[in-house]
Amino acid sequence: EVQLVDSGGGLVQPGGSLRLSCAASGFSFSSYIMNWVRQAPGKGLEWVSGIVGSGGSTYYADSVKGRFTISRDNSKNTVYLQMNSLRVEDTAIYYCAMHNYGFQYWGQGTLVTVSS
Amino acid sequence: EIVMTQSPATLSVSPGERATLSCRASQSVSTNLAWYRQKPGQAPTFLIYDASSRATGVPARFSGSGSGTEFTLTISSLQSEDFAVYYCQQYNNWPRTFGQGTKVEIK
Repeated sequence: EVQLVDSGGGLVQPGGSLRLSCAASGFSFSSYIMNWVRQAPGKGLEWVSGIVGSGGSTYYADSVKGRFTISRDNSKNTVYLQMNSLRVEDTAIYYCAMHNYGFQYWGQGTLVTVSS
Repeated sequence: EIVMTQSPATLSVSPGERATLSCRASQSVSTNLAWYRQKPGQAPTFLIYDASSRATGVPARFSGSGSGTEFTLTISSLQSEDFAVYYCQQYNNWPRTFGQGTKVEIK
């Protein structure tokens, strides 16, 4: 059974940092593109970042480019999102998602709140 | 960036009736399009990929069509669990982009 477990969210002040993790199981992790998607309170889905299976290529939404870094450790079946210089508008539930002809599997999400 | 536009924003439908949702891309995405359903307080779930293929376990009442820039999701007979928000997403180009969502509510 495929499982994605998101963790690492919390309350952080503007300008602060946070690292999210997504632990994967039940599939050949290194073979799949992994993504982070966020959803601000009461809003729609926003794709944030993606990383290919080898980790050799990464992609970002313009809204987070230069502040967020996606990475993966295929030995630990885990994908990370390092978030720096956080802003109030980064407040959202963050989901990891496995790409297989679309985002086939999703984590349960982790809430990030940026507030003073 | 490819902009995905969904219509209508809200669709009011009676249980058992048919619902038709639209999604338009600002440039061609071929058939690299997926649909998701999101119930309140839950993560999205995967319904359709490659514009018209149902994901594993998705009931036959869900069907997708289209290619290029125009896509449709049809739910043939709405069940109680189908009253939710639906999103389309293109995966033809980076950045991946979602539509703003269509809320299907009970009439």
